Amino acid sequence: DAKTTQPNSMESNEEEPVHLPCNHSTISGTDYIHWYRQLPSQGPEYVIHGLTSNVNNRMASLAIAEDRKSSTLILHRATLRDAAVYYCILRPNTNAGKSTFGDGTTLTVKP
Amino acid sequence: NAGVMQNPRHLVRRRGQEARLRCSPMKGHSHVYWYRQLPEEGLKFMVYLQKENIIDESGMPKERFSAEFPKEGPSILRIQQVVRGDSAAYFCASSPQVGGDQPQHFGDGTRLSIL
Repeated sequence: DAKTTQPNSMESNEEEPVHLPCNHSTISGTDYIHWYRQLPSQGPEYVIHGLTSNVNNRMASLAIAEDRKSSTLILHRATLRDAAVYYCILRPNTNAGKSTFGDGTTLTVKP
Repeated sequence: NAGVMQNPRHLVRRRGQEARLRCSPMKGHSHVYWYRQLPEEGLKFMVYLQKENIIDESGMPKERFSAEFPKEGPSILRIQQVVRGDSAAYFCASSPQVGGDQPQHFGDGTRLSIL
């Protein structure tokens, strides 16, 4: 399975933008890049996904490098409710049942 | 529109007993995935099922663990003769179709504790 590498932890101030990086140098051409986040005692929550082009939704933006070997999740204005563990995972278009979660990035938001 | 429902939220078993975890996918979703999460770790894939079929069980331990997704009713993850190492949070996810562009929708998990 293609693996992802993320920093263990990051800090942000409330109402400032946050850029969460993810490296996936062994990504294959048919792998989609997904981001999820998990709050304590809850299941992961889908945030955003993309293949090649940058993506925007109501929660966040996803910037994908031209060579697709890295991506960045952008929270435009962090709130205290954004404090969570953020996971970057690759979902192959074949055998898409299996998703491999790494250890994620723990985001702390300071008021 | 109800999300993925898992029950029970907490389950306590003694060593040697059976644990049965249930997952009702979102309405209209026929693909179910089970994951296990140990404390302070990420989720580990266990099994992927479609209605009445196991598609990928490569993450499931070979012994004591089984999963099913019958035509009617919830998906069940069954752990027989539980041991202390089975203590973990077990999450179920569902999607309407299979494919890399399909987000998975997760339940809030069952926290299994083995005494």
